[in-house]
Amino acid sequence: AQSVAQPEDQVNVAEGNPLTVKCTYSVSGNPYLFWYVQYPNRGLQFLLKYITGDNLVKGSYGFEAEFNKSQTSFHLKKPSALVSDSALYFCAVRVGYNNNDMRFGAGTRLTVKP
Amino acid sequence: DTGVSQDPRHKITKRGQNVTFRCDPISEHNRLYWYRQTLGQGPEFLTYFQNEAQLEKSRLLSDRFSAERPKGSFSTLEIQRTEQGDSAMYLCASSPSGASQETQYFGPGTRLLVL
Repeated sequence: AQSVAQPEDQVNVAEGNPLTVKCTYSVSGNPYLFWYVQYPNRGLQFLLKYITGDNLVKGSYGFEAEFNKSQTSFHLKKPSALVSDSALYFCAVRVGYNNNDMRFGAGTRLTVKP
Repeated sequence: DTGVSQDPRHKITKRGQNVTFRCDPISEHNRLYWYRQTLGQGPEFLTYFQNEAQLEKSRLLSDRFSAERPKGSFSTLEIQRTEQGDSAMYLCASSPSGASQETQYFGPGTRLLVL
């Protein structure tokens, strides 16, 4: 089955430290991978995506993600975390040619402590 | 604000009642999607429109659920004879056609509580 997995329910980091939120995928064919962030009482906000090309993708708010085909991973990273980065993060994979079905992971709650 | 909007933001209803939610996509987007998100889970795909045509429905979309997009702009999602298991956040998203179509932009969601 086409899916993504986020192995960590929660990630805690101190402000100023680097952060990593993990995502692994299982798809047949070439994956289209996405990261979204969800703040309380708000919808999902698009952060970045990997479609093709450079394995390191840069996105909004200083986030980046590295596509690793051999490890089937697409981990989200940021060199220096901010307290305002605290939110729920979702990895997603596009299934189907016409982007009519996006499969999301269960989410990882990131807490950045001052 | 030119993002995706949803109305209402919250809805409390009694079991057995019908509810209807509205989604207004980004104006130039011809694709519109509905998702359901329950606590502790990621969004789950429900259905998808290209313009006014409903092209795909998930098996999650039971017969009590119906979605429309009559003029290819806003969409409505109706749930008939609501059940407590319908309590969830209902998210709408839209995307443009063309090369950037892979990115879906989400609205703030409608949180439904069925008592």
